[in-house]
Amino acid sequence: KNEVEQSPQNLTAQEGEFITINCSYSVGISALHWLQQHPGGGIVSLFMLSSGKKKHGRLIATINIQEKHSSLHITASHPRDSAVYICAVSIKGGATNKLIFGTGTLLAVQP
Amino acid sequence: KAGVTQTPRYLIKTRGQQVTLSCSPISGHRSVSWYQQTPGQGLQFLFEYFSETQRNKGNFPGRFSGRQFSNSRSEMNVSTLELGDSALYLCASSLAFTGTGVTEAFFGQGTRLTVV
Repeated sequence: KNEVEQSPQNLTAQEGEFITINCSYSVGISALHWLQQHPGGGIVSLFMLSSGKKKHGRLIATINIQEKHSSLHITASHPRDSAVYICAVSIKGGATNKLIFGTGTLLAVQP
Repeated sequence: KAGVTQTPRYLIKTRGQQVTLSCSPISGHRSVSWYQQTPGQGLQFLFEYFSETQRNKGNFPGRFSGRQFSNSRSEMNVSTLELGDSALYLCASSLAFTGTGVTEAFFGQGTRLTVV
């Protein structure tokens, strides 16, 4: 079983829809990261959080440490949001910036 | 402020050859991590360097190695290339691990290596 699980693996939405991507993890973490990868490869960090909720524009990330679960929400989705969204965790303890990744969610937003 | 720069962006090599990839982190960042991304295995951690020392290593064969220079630039080397080494290689730079929490990772565009 992977240490970081994401769902769904694929998601197709119509422009304007509210989107939720889920991430569950089975290890102790010091932080959880939400990343975005567009075709071509480059990865952009969207959020890094260790508790509560963060908001940036139309994106909202929440984390529940007790339940070991995080969600990424996109409000009023737009075709430019189409990308792979990846959840990653930093393991608790030890001096390292090593990340462990989920398998990603491929999002396609249709106009 | 310049981002993380990886060179080259694309590379085609023949089985058995060796390859060196370069990563220049954001100015002031002393931690550089390398990752391999393939369709089958997703993103996997290769190794992490901090202040010219390898701080952590993933589960990859010894053909994969790396180093970090005094200016924090890092290189990774793969010797005796195999077809399965074809992948996108990404590096990420961070300020440092503070001991009280991790810092945000900034990724480069990656080097796409094709082994034929």
